[in-house]
Amino acid sequence: QVQLQESGPGLVKPSQTLSLTCTVSGGSISSGGYYWSWIRQHPGKGLEWIGYIYYSGSTYYNPSLKSRVTISVDTSKNQFSLKLSSVTAADTAVYYCARGWVAAAGSLDYWGQGTLVTVSS
Amino acid sequence: DIQLTQSPSFLSASVGDRVTITCRASQGISSYLAWYQQKPGKAPKLLIYAASTLQSGVPSRFSGSGSGTEFTLTISSLQPEDFATYYCQHQGTFGQGTKVEIK
Repeated sequence: QVQLQESGPGLVKPSQTLSLTCTVSGGSISSGGYYWSWIRQHPGKGLEWIGYIYYSGSTYYNPSLKSRVTISVDTSKNQFSLKLSSVTAADTAVYYCARGWVAAAGSLDYWGQGTLVTVSS
Repeated sequence: DIQLTQSPSFLSASVGDRVTITCRASQGISSYLAWYQQKPGKAPKLLIYAASTLQSGVPSRFSGSGSGTEFTLTISSLQPEDFATYYCQHQGTFGQGTKVEIK
């Protein structure tokens, strides 16, 4: 059973960089056939795709966040990470990591539980 | 960019009702659409992928149909545990969600 777990600070100051890591267990990031995604949800709002990475390192970012987002992968640790720079209060959200299934056109079949990140001084 | 528009945004229904949620894409997306269920405080759960394929473990009262620009999620007989918010998704885009509440 694949499991994903987000980790990182729950509080980030404005203008700083938000950094989160997703640890994957029960399956290998390097196995191919999947891409590894970050999604966020503002309080009481809908889902927003931040971006994803293949195990090879190729990435896709939401155009609205592209200038501030970096997603990376560490296959040796079976982890992938999110960095979002120059954060503001508008970046306060629950951040989810998830596995996207290439064969199912990106359907997200496994999700982490989510972690709330608050941007505040 | 492709936009996904769900309707209705809010739905009030009773246990046992048949419920249909629609997702319209701004351009044709073949059958590349997924549906998710999200309950408060929980991560979304994949229900259907490729427009009509039921994810393993999902009850058969859920079904999906459509292709191109119009898609539907149907719950044949609403159960108490089905009260939640439902989202459609195509690649990097989600619909705005449909909240299903108890009448």
